[in-house]
Amino acid sequence: DVKVTQSSRYLVKRTGEKVFLECVQDMDHENMFWYRQDPGLGLRLIYFSYDVKMKEKGDIPEGYSVSREKKERFSLILESASTNQTSMYLCATRNPQGTAYGYTFGSGTRLTVV
Amino acid sequence: SQQGEEDPQALSIQEGENATMNCSYKTSINNLQWYRQNSGRGLVHLILIRSNEREKHSGRLRVTLDTSKKSSSLLITASRAADTASYFCATAQTGANNLFFGTGTRLTVIP
Repeated sequence: DVKVTQSSRYLVKRTGEKVFLECVQDMDHENMFWYRQDPGLGLRLIYFSYDVKMKEKGDIPEGYSVSREKKERFSLILESASTNQTSMYLCATRNPQGTAYGYTFGSGTRLTVV
Repeated sequence: SQQGEEDPQALSIQEGENATMNCSYKTSINNLQWYRQNSGRGLVHLILIRSNEREKHSGRLRVTLDTSKKSSSLLITASRAADTASYFCATAQTGANNLFFGTGTRLTVIP
């Protein structure tokens, strides 16, 4: 089974800090995604990547950036954390053959910005 | 919004009863998927139904898809307390490479 590991379950950061959320997968999948989940809004796509050093903006990229230096690792960066970025962040990976297969999610990182 | 919408938002049933959740969407799709999320955790893929399929089964799960009505339903039969979770539908829309998730149905199964 594919395993997707997010480095932190809970994180508390101060406004203005630079925050790194790490995601590592162990199945050599090319496609990786970052979502945020907020009550009443469901999951919203922030960024995704189809290959190393490749990135594409999702629906809500503002205030975020990403890094994909190695295939197994996809990092989400909050350049200057703000309180409205308090949320649950979910990383996912997908079989490279496209949307015909389901996503595998990490356990999530609950980020609180104070 | 490109998201699907689940109905109801919350559902509470007794153990042993069946639970039905519905999902509506707006655009043409390649497939529709259902996921489960236990409180505070990541999502787990349950089942995928392709646009040319009308019904699919997996264990106690039954999914239907009506592309003419742009809707799907997830039926969990003989529910258990361990089925308590949030359930999300996600659509793989034609021409898009990503999934679009709904806002979920919160299912509570009372022992």
